[in-house]
Amino acid sequence: QLQLQESGPGLVKPSETLSLTCTVSGGSISSSNYYWGWIRQPPGKGLEWIGTIYYSGTTYYNPSLKSRVTISVDTSNNQFSLKLSSVTAADTAVYYCASNSNYDRFDYWGQGTLVTVSS
Amino acid sequence: DIQMTQSPSSLSASVGDRVTITCRASQSISSYLNWYQQKPGKAPKFLIYAASSLQSGVPSRFSGSGSGTDFTLTISTLQPEDFATYYCQQSYSAPQTFGGGTKVEIK
Repeated sequence: QLQLQESGPGLVKPSETLSLTCTVSGGSISSSNYYWGWIRQPPGKGLEWIGTIYYSGTTYYNPSLKSRVTISVDTSNNQFSLKLSSVTAADTAVYYCASNSNYDRFDYWGQGTLVTVSS
Repeated sequence: DIQMTQSPSSLSASVGDRVTITCRASQSISSYLNWYQQKPGKAPKFLIYAASSLQSGVPSRFSGSGSGTDFTLTISTLQPEDFATYYCQQSYSAPQTFGGGTKVEIK
């Protein structure tokens, strides 16, 4: 069974870049039927898909965030990463990484990490 | 973007009750509809895919139905561990979008 774990700073200053990494265990990030996604949830609110990457490096981004988002993959370390630039308080959220099987469902999730944007 | 609207936004129910949650898409999404359960402070748990297929390990009291624009999640006999917030998600077209959630509370 896949396990995912987010890591990265819990506090980011406004206008700076949020950077998170997701480490995958229990399976290969290069598995052909798995894509890998990032989803976020502001405190007390609903879920928002940020973007998804395939092990080949092909990316899919939410148009609402596309200008600020970069997702990358490191197959040698079984990891994928999120960078969100020019953050504001509105980017404060719990950030989840998840497997995005067949690019159509989020079946395994990390525990989530709270990122607060504040000076 | 396809908008997903869930109703009700919250409901109160008792253990043993039958609970139905509705999810409506702003346009047809065929059967590209998934359901998730989220408990406070926890990540969402994947329950149902393709509108009606139960993910492995999910109790059979959970079921999903619908196609096109209207979908339902039914819990046949509510258990104490089922009190949570439920989200639908469409994967028919990018961006993948979620409903606003339905909180199932104890009556």
